[in-house]
Amino acid sequence: ETGVTQSPTHLIKTRGQQVTLRCSSQSGHNTVSWYQQALGQGPQFIFQYYREEENGRGNFPPRFSGLQFPNYSSELNVNALELDDSALYLCASSSRDRGLSEQYFGPGTRLTVT
Amino acid sequence: DAKTTQPNSMESNEEEPVHLPCNHSTISGTDYIHWYRQLPSQGPEYVIHGLTSNVNNRMASLAIAEDRKSSTLILHRATLRDAAVYYCILRDNNQGGKLIFGQGTELSVKP
Repeated sequence: ETGVTQSPTHLIKTRGQQVTLRCSSQSGHNTVSWYQQALGQGPQFIFQYYREEENGRGNFPPRFSGLQFPNYSSELNVNALELDDSALYLCASSSRDRGLSEQYFGPGTRLTVT
Repeated sequence: DAKTTQPNSMESNEEEPVHLPCNHSTISGTDYIHWYRQLPSQGPEYVIHGLTSNVNNRMASLAIAEDRKSSTLILHRATLRDAAVYYCILRDNNQGGKLIFGQGTELSVKP
């Protein structure tokens, strides 16, 4: 059983640029959630995707957007990057069939905005 | 979103039991109590969850108060690998499964 993978591991961008982060969900999981974790803080929920549609969103502006593909992998896109977007971005997969009782997290992508 | 309160940090000795407390006085009837932990430089890892009854699994035990306003995660024998930030989270099944993380408890384990 393959775990959740994310790419890239690290990324450095300049303020105002756009970035795309990728996540491959665990085998058999059809739901993907994205979280932002600032240094020293707990992860904050960005949004969740189920069957290729957004299914719940946290308190993040529209410049944070996402996609889910038929194979359940997912992308997080952030436009017009700001310095405060520097964080660890985590994706988590789960299975609706199991009632979403457990979410399996990837190792994260460390984004630095300069 | 329901809130949880945890101590910022705790210390334990290796091979001793650890009791990590969590208060959630505003818990609703449909909220499940979840625990995740995050080891250094890793994503969070699911530990255990429960609704009303105490729960056990290979990693830990979860003791839930009768009024559900508090719970305790029990690690029966702490190891150095258990050093992590432990998050107590309330999750409403009706809200699509999003997890609302707090600050968590940073557990250090001394040899």
